[in-house]
Amino acid sequence: ETGVTQTPRHLVMGMTNKKSLKCEQHLGHNAMYWYKQSAKKPLELMFVYNFKEQTENNSVPSRFSPECPNSSHLFLHLHTLQPEDSALYLCASMSGGTDTQYFGPGTRLTVL
Amino acid sequence: GNSVTQMEGPVTLSEEAFLTINCTYTATGYPSLFWYVQYPGEGLQLLLKATKADDKGSNKGFEATYRKETTSFHLEKGSVQVSDSAVYFCALIGAGGTSYGKLTFGQGTILTVHP
Repeated sequence: ETGVTQTPRHLVMGMTNKKSLKCEQHLGHNAMYWYKQSAKKPLELMFVYNFKEQTENNSVPSRFSPECPNSSHLFLHLHTLQPEDSALYLCASMSGGTDTQYFGPGTRLTVL
Repeated sequence: GNSVTQMEGPVTLSEEAFLTINCTYTATGYPSLFWYVQYPGEGLQLLLKATKADDKGSNKGFEATYRKETTSFHLEKGSVQVSDSAVYFCALIGAGGTSYGKLTFGQGTILTVHP
């Protein structure tokens, strides 16, 4: 499998649940990103990891907790979410020295 | 901070019509500029990019020219197809700064092409 993959593709959860989103890239990139895409709003950068180190937290609420165990994998742990957190969550990766990000297909999250 | 403004959609065209989607930006220095496309049910794909003033990015019949004097990067295609129906995002990466590869996106423009 090539490119950037995300699982699950769809997720429905209650406000008291704990779930995790997974992103995996097979491109040998060293930087990985989480974005949130809500209806009628621009894509919002959430987190940036470079060589497994978090370099950006764009004022994201603590109910979203990222984890990057290695340069190929990125997780987003979710707990006690709110209905307004329902959105498409996109993962991307990029290679150092370049400026092109490669996106996964996203996880469509619905919080009830 | 950096910002990107796109023309509001949705845009509806007939096949073979000419397409323009306007994009202007605000940034310090000389950012790199991008157009990404999102087909239904998929993530974003890079369509084209330009990294310095007067550069023209092109791909699949789409073109955009980096205009520093008007801070614009308008997307054009001479003859659209039904398969071009998608959401188009203008974006930039600022020059320098503290965050690695931080993309700033416009709000996206929905394009629908009818046969």
